[in-house]
Amino acid sequence: AQSVTQLDSQVPVFEEAPVELRCNYSSSVSVYLFWYVQYPNQGLQLLLKYLSGSTLVESINGFEAEFNKSQTSFHLRKPSVHISDTAEYFCAVTPLGDAGNMLTFGGGTRLMVKP
Amino acid sequence: GAGVSQTPSNKVTEKGKYVELRCDPISGHTALYWYRQSLGQGPEFLIYFQGTGAADDSGLPNDRFFAVRPEGSVSTLKIQRTERGDSAVYLCASSLLPGAGGPDTQYFGPGTRLTVL
Repeated sequence: AQSVTQLDSQVPVFEEAPVELRCNYSSSVSVYLFWYVQYPNQGLQLLLKYLSGSTLVESINGFEAEFNKSQTSFHLRKPSVHISDTAEYFCAVTPLGDAGNMLTFGGGTRLMVKP
Repeated sequence: GAGVSQTPSNKVTEKGKYVELRCDPISGHTALYWYRQSLGQGPEFLIYFQGTGAADDSGLPNDRFFAVRPEGSVSTLKIQRTERGDSAVYLCASSLLPGAGGPDTQYFGPGTRLTVL
């Protein structure tokens, strides 16, 4: 079985400041990793994913995440946040080779960007 | 194109009643998932369909919960004898089957907010 821990339930930050949202996972097998975002009054959307290859993955809106196998982490970072980044962010994993690819989610981190 | 749609968007029912929640996946997506998101928590897996069959229902909490996908497209999640603890947002997601490169992206619907009084 897998588990995902997002250490911060809320992260307040001022606009244009850098931010890091932490994600750690536990699994007895190798996993694929995802970050999903939920904007206010909207459904979950995929932000970025790590499947293989380079451990640093980027999204189209400036977020990046780095897979660290030794620390079992997949932290999400952005060097300069905007008001529009205010949302809830969920880290998720699914095991390699799992036919169904069911996602195991963390509890979420609410990013609150203040002007 | 159209995304995943779920109806109703909100459902209020009384304890002990039966409810049905509907999911319309993206056209052509063979895989369909149901998740449940309780307040302040991340989504939790309930059941996964590949085509018409439930390939994995290990996340269903008990036998009051049941889901069908008779024609391999629309799915209905059915909850019998609802309890207050069933109150949550029920999310549906769909995807293509995984390829050689790994799992395909799961696309989520807006969810159905179920409130059991």
